[in-house]
Amino acid sequence: DTGVSQDPRHKITKRGQNVTFRCDPISEHNRLYWYRQTLGQGPEFLTYFQNEAQLEKSRLLSDRFSAERPKGSFSTLEIQRTEQGDSAMYLCASSLGRQGAGEKLFFGSGTQLSVL
Amino acid sequence: GQSLEQPSEVTAVEGAIVQINCTYQTSGFYGLSWYQQHDGGAPTFLSYNALDGLEETGRFSSFLSRSDSYGYLLLQELQMKDSASYFCAVPNTGTASKLTFGTGTRLQVTL
Repeated sequence: DTGVSQDPRHKITKRGQNVTFRCDPISEHNRLYWYRQTLGQGPEFLTYFQNEAQLEKSRLLSDRFSAERPKGSFSTLEIQRTEQGDSAMYLCASSLGRQGAGEKLFFGSGTQLSVL
Repeated sequence: GQSLEQPSEVTAVEGAIVQINCTYQTSGFYGLSWYQQHDGGAPTFLSYNALDGLEETGRFSSFLSRSDSYGYLLLQELQMKDSASYFCAVPNTGTASKLTFGTGTRLQVTL
């Protein structure tokens, strides 16, 4: 257990439905990241927050995706009008945010999304 | 952009030594990290190299050659629990705000 928790662990939805995932990072961590991972691939960056500010979003993140971190603590990732191509593991990670390029990211176990 | 190449699979016997290679192409280089991920589990940080040479942490060591754009992870005294996927990753800036991961190497440790 890394200390980063994600909910739910699994989500099955029908195409066109909206889904929301939650991430609770390690409490003293200033940074929170969302990554997506498909089978046989490495995690792919989606977005990150420094406290409550969303500082970078991947060009791959369509406007159907939105993430928030309202009080600089937990974060939510919402996908609207889901498509089958959204099926993936959605990973959340957190870090202290002041250790430079070698900073250790702590990942949660992810939410596995299946879009039918 | 950033790209990293790793072998897709490696098999080794318990107690042996295995090396997992990673070559990278980056627009700017800030270091090379390694993560381990068991099936169904969370990626877990193993090591980070910013400078050339070997960094040792217990049974695991990581090597970097910036002139060759190459690094490797060395696992010694392999145990069954080391069966997992191993990913190299590079940060896009000096703040690790975004990591680009390789496609991963699946290590199978056999008896």
